[in-house]
Amino acid sequence: DAGVIQSPRHEVTEMGQEVTLRCKPISGHDYLFWYRQTMMRGLELLIYFNNNVPIDDSGMPEDRFSAKMPNASFSTLKIQPSEPRDSAVYFCASSPLSGTSGGETQYFGPGTRLLVL
Amino acid sequence: QKEVEQNSGPLSVPEGAIASLNCTYSDRGSQSFFWYRQYSGKSPELIMFIYSNGDKEDGRFTAQLNKASQYVSLLIRDSQPSDSATYLCAVNSLYNFNKFYFGSGTKLNVKP
Repeated sequence: DAGVIQSPRHEVTEMGQEVTLRCKPISGHDYLFWYRQTMMRGLELLIYFNNNVPIDDSGMPEDRFSAKMPNASFSTLKIQPSEPRDSAVYFCASSPLSGTSGGETQYFGPGTRLLVL
Repeated sequence: QKEVEQNSGPLSVPEGAIASLNCTYSDRGSQSFFWYRQYSGKSPELIMFIYSNGDKEDGRFTAQLNKASQYVSLLIRDSQPSDSATYLCAVNSLYNFNKFYFGSGTKLNVKP
C-alpha cells in the first residue's frame, strides 16, 4: 500500500495568494482528516470527512479555509487568501471504519510544509 | 484546560535505560488512547494504542492506561538513540469518537 499521499510536499507563496493542498487517502479508508501542526499550537484537527461527507469542521480557523472531498480517493484543502500566520505543516490522515466506539488508528501522510511570505 | 496534557521535555535518558512518558486527559468518557512517534521533519507514526485499563506490551514498548486517574503512559525499555523523537499522545472524544485530541508531545533524547 502506498500510504496517504500528499502534494505538494513544500509550498512557498506570497500573502494573498490562493493555496491548494491535495491528499489521496489509503484505499478503502472511510475517514479522512486534515490537521495543521505548528510549534505554538501543536497538532490541530481542522476538519474530517466520513465517506466524502464533512462531519466536523469546527477546527477550521476561518472562512479563508475550505476543504472538499469530491470522491473517496481525493481531497483538497484550500486557503484563500493566504496569510503569513497560515505557515505550518499540514497533514492529511485517513482511517478505516471503526468496528467499535473506540475510533481507529489514523495514518498520516508526509505533510505539506507551507510558508506564506 | 487542554484536552490532552504532556510534559514537553526534553526527557533525556541514557542508552539502555527505561524512558517513561506520561499523558493526562480531561474527557472522562474517552475510549481510545494512542501513542505516536514523530521524528523531526517527519509525520506522526503509530507506536501503539490501548483501549482497556492496565498494561499492553508490544516489544520494547508498554502502554499503561488508568481511566480512573485519566492518565496514559508509555514505557520504552532498553532505549536506543533511534528512539530519540517527539512522542505524541492522542485521545478520542467521548461525543465524536473519530475525533482525536493530540497532546503537544514530549521530546525524548536517548544519549549513547
